[in-house]
Amino acid sequence: GESVGLHLPTLSVQEGDNSIINCAYSNSASDYFIWYKQESGKGPQFIIDIRSNMDKRQGQRVTVLLNKTVKHLSLQIAATQPGDSAVYFCAENMGGNTGNQFYFGTGTSLTVIP
Amino acid sequence: ETGVTQTPRHLVMGMTNKKSLKCEQHLGHNAMYWYKQSAKKPLELMFVYSLEERVENNSVPSRFSPECPNSSHLFLHLHTLQPEDSALYLCASSPEGTMGNTIYFGEGSWLTVV
Repeated sequence: GESVGLHLPTLSVQEGDNSIINCAYSNSASDYFIWYKQESGKGPQFIIDIRSNMDKRQGQRVTVLLNKTVKHLSLQIAATQPGDSAVYFCAENMGGNTGNQFYFGTGTSLTVIP
Repeated sequence: ETGVTQTPRHLVMGMTNKKSLKCEQHLGHNAMYWYKQSAKKPLELMFVYSLEERVENNSVPSRFSPECPNSSHLFLHLHTLQPEDSALYLCASSPEGTMGNTIYFGEGSWLTVV
């Protein structure tokens, strides 16, 4: 099956700076993507999603960019705060008729330095 | 509060024990999932239920047995597990079992097999 990879396993940023977390996917048929945040001891929490008919989507302090040409996804966090420290996962969905099949990367660990 | 509740949050069991993990979703969703999360590995899909029918079983060993009595409840019955089965088991739900629907996770059940 397809897998989603992340360029950097760890990322450290200063509080107040912007963070960028990258994700590469390999299946050009994937048409829906989600970013999740997982804090220590908790389950993954939905942050933002994007469909393949878009190349950018903004939420509160977060922006997801999708580049289908190079099969690349990124999550931008503005004015990073200590509470943003967590592992961030990219997930891709290839669709299909047998359930909602998502593939996840191993995650990027973000540490915010106060 | 994610809308997906898992119990117990922590479980220690011997290799000859029989135990069950429980999941309940309060989101009115039609599809439910079990994922396994091991250290430094991507989330692994174990089972998918859509409208209480199992539609996906990713070659999970028979020592894991799912049960979905209705669209709000999902169980994972465990018996004769191995130490390598120690992991975080995540339950999730989505509005329906078709492509492109966001899945929402519970907080997980930490399982340790001794």
